[in-house]
Amino acid sequence: DGGITQSPKYLFRKEGQNVTLSCEQNLNHDAMYWYRQDPGQGLRLIYYSQIVNDFQKGDIAEGYSVSREKKESFPLTVTSAQKNPTAFYLCASSMSGRTSTDTQYFGPGTRLTVL
Amino acid sequence: LAKTTQPISMDSYEGQEVNITCSHNNIATNDYITWYQQFPSQGPRFIIQGYKTKVTNEVASLFIPADRKSSTLSLPRVSLSDTAVYYCLVAAATGTASKLTFGTGTRLQVTL
Repeated sequence: DGGITQSPKYLFRKEGQNVTLSCEQNLNHDAMYWYRQDPGQGLRLIYYSQIVNDFQKGDIAEGYSVSREKKESFPLTVTSAQKNPTAFYLCASSMSGRTSTDTQYFGPGTRLTVL
Repeated sequence: LAKTTQPISMDSYEGQEVNITCSHNNIATNDYITWYQQFPSQGPRFIIQGYKTKVTNEVASLFIPADRKSSTLSLPRVSLSDTAVYYCLVAAATGTASKLTFGTGTRLQVTL
């Protein structure tokens, strides 16, 4: 089955610890994205990547880091610098990312709770 | 970027047609209108996209008047499983996907 996977579904971490969220896609898409969603809110873009070894900051990149070493993978690290990391994190991919009419395909999300 | 305004929430009974309207008064010539659906604790899913007049697929219809300052997502004969948040997005085809903005959406509640 083609699709986009995120793991784990639920993640608990202590304050001050870095944590890495996994995102993998087998859709052969060039572009990948990370969003954050807080309760009752819309999605906010953290980082995006249009091609391997390249990525750009989104609207709320502070306290986060990413890498794009392989086309299929776009892991997100939530660092201790992120002041309020507890949220629902969504990864998405699209064919090219060069046009905003590209359909974005979302993963199931990771719910991160920092204790 | 065109700002969108949607109702915060809507209620419907099963079997009814639901119309969700999105206002985008400052839509630009190159902008397309896209709707996504999100179930609780899941990622959004693409529903439909259009530029003008009417677009229909197996899930929904999208009506866009000539001035394109608003659009209406129409869900025929909703069921309980259509309970979700619906997002209206407006962005230029020539812009990168990073310019998409998911606002708070419209929370549709379908009951028996």
